[in-house]
Amino acid sequence: EDQVTQSPEALRLQEGESSSLNCSYTVSGLRGLFWYRQDPGKGPEFLFTLYSAGEEKEKERLKATLTKKESFLHITAPKPEDSATYLCAVDDFNKFYFGSGTKLNVKP
Amino acid sequence: KAGVTQTPRYLIKTRGQQVTLSCSPISGHRSVSWYQQTPGQGLQFLFEYFSETQRNKGNFPGRFSGRQFSNSRSEMNVSTLELGDSALYLCASRVNDYGYTFGSGTRLTVV
Repeated sequence: EDQVTQSPEALRLQEGESSSLNCSYTVSGLRGLFWYRQDPGKGPEFLFTLYSAGEEKEKERLKATLTKKESFLHITAPKPEDSATYLCAVDDFNKFYFGSGTKLNVKP
Repeated sequence: KAGVTQTPRYLIKTRGQQVTLSCSPISGHRSVSWYQQTPGQGLQFLFEYFSETQRNKGNFPGRFSGRQFSNSRSEMNVSTLELGDSALYLCASRVNDYGYTFGSGTRLTVV
């Protein structure tokens, strides 16, 4: 049973073309939802933590939002350097569950 | 502030051998977790240690083991290596309920 599902698996955007990544989760209790960015051959880099529905966090061109069943990572006017795999994870007070990620490719 | 340090960065081993990977967490972080990452399976949870005690364990065979020392440093051991154990092994630490900070990983290749 998948606790965290991310979509799409891969996304190709032109530079400046805004879009959103989705993370849906099915845990009984949510302590926190986390977004990470991972570049090839490197460990995931922490981006945001969201704790309750309605919460939003922003960092440069990225904005993360949270509802009761899903989270979105909005990317506004992306640049080629935003190309990476974006991972979502949830903490259900017991374990950390990671999604399989969305591989983002931004073309100049 | 130093990040999570993993050593070695790269490792090549032969089937049947054993390997030990090391992780030094961020100072003050008492929780250390290990993950295996492969292209097909994504991030798979191995185990979590807190104050030298294993708190959670993932779905891996007994060939995978770990431990944590009193200074919070952790080691992961894999015995009788198989080709399918080739992966990026990631260590992550955290304090209390916050998100994990990951190291750069150890790339293990089994030949």
